[in-house]
Amino acid sequence: EIVMTQSPATLSVSPGERATLSCRAGQSVSTNLAWYQHKPGQAPRLLIYGASTRATGIPARFSGSGSGTEFTLTISSLQSEDFALYYCQQYNNWPPEVTFGGGTKVEIK
Amino acid sequence: QVQLVESGGGLVKPGGSLRLSCAASGFSFSDYYMSWIRQPPGKGLEWVSYISAGSSRYTNYADSVKGRFTISRDTAKNSLHLQMNSLRAEDTAIYYCARDGRGYSSSWYDYWGQGTLVTVSS
Repeated sequence: EIVMTQSPATLSVSPGERATLSCRAGQSVSTNLAWYQHKPGQAPRLLIYGASTRATGIPARFSGSGSGTEFTLTISSLQSEDFALYYCQQYNNWPPEVTFGGGTKVEIK
Repeated sequence: QVQLVESGGGLVKPGGSLRLSCAASGFSFSDYYMSWIRQPPGKGLEWVSYISAGSSRYTNYADSVKGRFTISRDTAKNSLHLQMNSLRAEDTAIYYCARDGRGYSSSWYDYWGQGTLVTVSS
C-alpha cells in the first residue's frame, strides 16, 4: 500500500495570508495526486487533480504542484471559507490503488 | 447539478447486516464508475469499493471488507448500493458515495455525498 503522509497536522494562518500544505507519497505516484477540502457535516470537495489541475469552479487562489513523491497545495490568500480539513489522495495507475493522507487542519490564527 | 444522497446508515450489532444506498441525479449515472469511501471517527478517509460503468459491472474491494461487502448499481433507478454483512466494530464510520473522475479502477473523486453514519456496537 502506498502510504500518504501530510504535514503539518494543523496549520494556523491569519486571513489573507498564504498557506502551504505538504503531502508525501511512500513511492512515486507520478502526478496521480488529488486534493480535497472537507468541512464537518459536508461532502468533501475536489480541489485539484493530476497534481496541478484545478477542478471545475475552484478559485484560482488554490494551486497544486509536485510530482513523484512530493506535493504541495498552496492557498495564496486565505479567505474565511477556506478554514477546513484538507486531504491528499493518490490514485496509482498500476497496480490500481487509492489511498488518502491523514489530513491537514487549517485553522484561524 | 450533480447530487449524491446516501441513506441506510444506523446502529447495528456486531455480526449484523446493513444496506446503504446512494441516490444519484444531475448526470448520466450509467456512464460513471462509482465508489464507496468511509471515514472512521477521528480517522482519515479509506477507499472501500468501486463498480465500473456500463454493463461490465466490474467491482473491487479493500482487503478489509472483501468477502463481507457487495457493491451494486441499479441504472434504471440511478442508485448505488453497498450490502454490508458480518459487520465489525471497526466498520464504524461515515460512508460516502462518490463519483469517479476518470473512469478507471483508480481515480480521483469529483463529487461526493454528505455521508451516512454506520455504527457497529452491541
